[in-house]
Amino acid sequence: AQSVTQPDIHITVSEGASLELRCNYSYGATPYLFWYVQSPGQGLQLLLKYFSGDTLVQGIKGFEAEFKRSQSSFNLRKPSVHWSDAAEYFCAVGARTGANNLFFGTGTRLTVIP
Amino acid sequence: NAGVMQNPRHLVRRRGQEARLRCSPMKGHSHVYWYRQLPEEGLKFMVYLQKENIIDESGMPKERFSAEFPKEGPSILRIQQVVRGDSAAYFCASSPLLAGDEQFFGPGTRLTVL
Repeated sequence: AQSVTQPDIHITVSEGASLELRCNYSYGATPYLFWYVQSPGQGLQLLLKYFSGDTLVQGIKGFEAEFKRSQSSFNLRKPSVHWSDAAEYFCAVGARTGANNLFFGTGTRLTVIP
Repeated sequence: NAGVMQNPRHLVRRRGQEARLRCSPMKGHSHVYWYRQLPEEGLKFMVYLQKENIIDESGMPKERFSAEFPKEGPSILRIQQVVRGDSAAYFCASSPLLAGDEQFFGPGTRLTVL
């Protein structure tokens, strides 16, 4: 069965510090991989996605993520966090064939302290 | 190009009433997905529709919930005889093509059942 695990429910970092949000997945084959961000009371915005090719993908707002097949991981990173990055972050996986629905992790809430 | 639109943004219903949630996909998108987000949880897939067809409703509760995407007009998620446990944020997403395409999310409808 498909599943996405985000082991960190809540992370607090200082502004300017580096950030890594973890995501592990369980899937029958290599899925499509996504990171979304959700600000309070808002919908989800796509940060980046991995379909194929280079396993290090660049996204918007200075985020990047690395797909590691051997570890079934797709961790999100940012070298220097800004106060405006405070939000909920969701990792998601989708099938390469057939059904197109996404499976989401439970999210990681990021707090940024000045 | 307008994004995915959902209305109402907030909906309050008493137990036993009906809730109708509307979703207008992005222009040119013919695939619509509905997700539910319970408090403190990630999004859970409910149903995937194309124009006039339900493609996958494996995530939809068997009773009281229904969805449609008519040839003309928005997609509708209908919840009959709402109960308190239906209180959640309901998100609609749309995509232009099949598996792997980015899904663009609407701002969500927050349903509160009193």
